[in-house]
Amino acid sequence: AQKITQTQPGMFVQEKEAVTLDCTYDTSDQSYGLFWYKQPSSGEMIFLIYQGSYDEQNATEGRYSLNFQKARKSANLVISASQLGDSAMYFCAMREGRRSNYQLIWGAGTKLIIKP
Amino acid sequence: KAGVTQTPRYLIKTRGQQVTLSCSPISGHRSVSWYQQTPGQGLQFLFEYFSETQRNKGNFPGRFSGRQFSNSRSEMNVSTLELGDSALYLCASSPGGEGTIQPQHFGDGTRLSIL
Repeated sequence: AQKITQTQPGMFVQEKEAVTLDCTYDTSDQSYGLFWYKQPSSGEMIFLIYQGSYDEQNATEGRYSLNFQKARKSANLVISASQLGDSAMYFCAMREGRRSNYQLIWGAGTKLIIKP
Repeated sequence: KAGVTQTPRYLIKTRGQQVTLSCSPISGHRSVSWYQQTPGQGLQFLFEYFSETQRNKGNFPGRFSGRQFSNSRSEMNVSTLELGDSALYLCASSPGGEGTIQPQHFGDGTRLSIL
């Protein structure tokens, strides 16, 4: 079974509009972390935002916020007031808290294109 | 604070050759992870090192190996290159302490092309 599911392969959004990128996850661990990364066409992977499973508040970083719904196992990324520079691939990833597992598990990504 | 540095940025090799990629983590970070990214398979975990010890390994053949030095710099080696090894190889670092989950910060990647 997929551990991280991103159901939107691609999205077109008008500049200045808000964007929600979907991510659902599957884990039996109580302790885990959820991450969003941005990858422009140049290839570098840029860390955006992190949510811990025990965090009671939704994470926010500037224009980025994470809509964390633990019971539904969803961790959607919200970008407010989108800009042309937001056009990129966006990946949701999870790191489970078990000692033996130090890897990030990745979703397939969503390609976001911001239209002027 | 300098970020994660990967060298080289681009590499072209032929089948059967071997290659070594280098990664210098953020100062103070002791954990280094490697990932392979291809259009068909997406992002796949290769291995993770902490304090010169491999803590976890992904499902890759033995041709893929790595190591970490005492200064936390890491190298990965791929021997007997195959066409399917063409990919973007990403290195990430994090502080890496036990019992904590911290964001990984990535380098710009090495784009490897096999002819």
